[in-house]
Amino acid sequence: GAVVSQHPSWVICKSGTSVKIECRSLDFQATTMFWYRQFPKQSLMLMATSNEGSKATYEQGVEKDKFLINHASLTLSTLTVTSAHPEDSSFYICSARGTSGAYNEQFFGPGTRLTVL
Amino acid sequence: GENVEQHPSTLSVQEGDSAVIKCTYSDSASNYFPWYKQELGKRPQLIIDIRSNVGEKKDQRIAVTLNKTAKHFSLHITETQPEDSAVYFCAARFGGYQKVTFGIGTKLQVIP
Repeated sequence: GAVVSQHPSWVICKSGTSVKIECRSLDFQATTMFWYRQFPKQSLMLMATSNEGSKATYEQGVEKDKFLINHASLTLSTLTVTSAHPEDSSFYICSARGTSGAYNEQFFGPGTRLTVL
Repeated sequence: GENVEQHPSTLSVQEGDSAVIKCTYSDSASNYFPWYKQELGKRPQLIIDIRSNVGEKKDQRIAVTLNKTAKHFSLHITETQPEDSAVYFCAARFGGYQKVTFGIGTKLQVIP
C-alpha cells in the first residue's frame, strides 16, 4: 500500500515553455500533497503544500504564479512550471499524506527530473 | 523560522562498524521525527520514525533516539553493510502543521 506515482519521470523542454507534472496516490486518498524541489547533492526543499479543494500554501521565496499547483481530487495533484528557464532545472518530488492509520504519514513519489534547455 | 540541522554531511565507515547521524531542531512543538534514506536518483524512503512521546525506537539494525529537552535526535545504524550506502535525511514536523522540514542530508559510505 501507500503508492505514490509521478508522471513524467523526466522531461526536457525549451526555455519559455510550460511543463505539467502529475502526482497521484494510487491506493489511498491524499488529503494533503507536498511538492519539493531537490538540486544535485542538496536536501529536499518544500515548495508548497496543497490540500484537496483549496489553494496551495507556498513557502517563502516560491513564486506561486510560476509554480501553479492544483489539487482537484483526493488522488491527484499537479504542478505546472510556467515559462520554464534553465535555472528551473531540478528534481521535483511530490509526497502525499492520508488521514488515517498507516497512511497518515508522507509517502514520496519517484520524482520528475526537469531539464530546461 | 523552523530549522533542522544535521551532521555530519558525509560519513565513511568500514563494513560492520556503526554509523551515527545527529540532528537538532528549533521548534519545541515538533512532535514527529522521520528519517529517510535516498539512493541516487530515487525517491526518499522512510526507514524509521519516532514521536515525541517516545525516547527510543529500534528496528533491527536501525535505531533512533530522541532527547526532547535538548531538541536532539539521532539515527544509529549498527553492523553497517555496503547497501546502507545512501544519503540519509532527518526531518521534523512542527506543531500542528503538516509540513515536514528536512535536514541537509548525510552521505553515508560503507566501505567493504
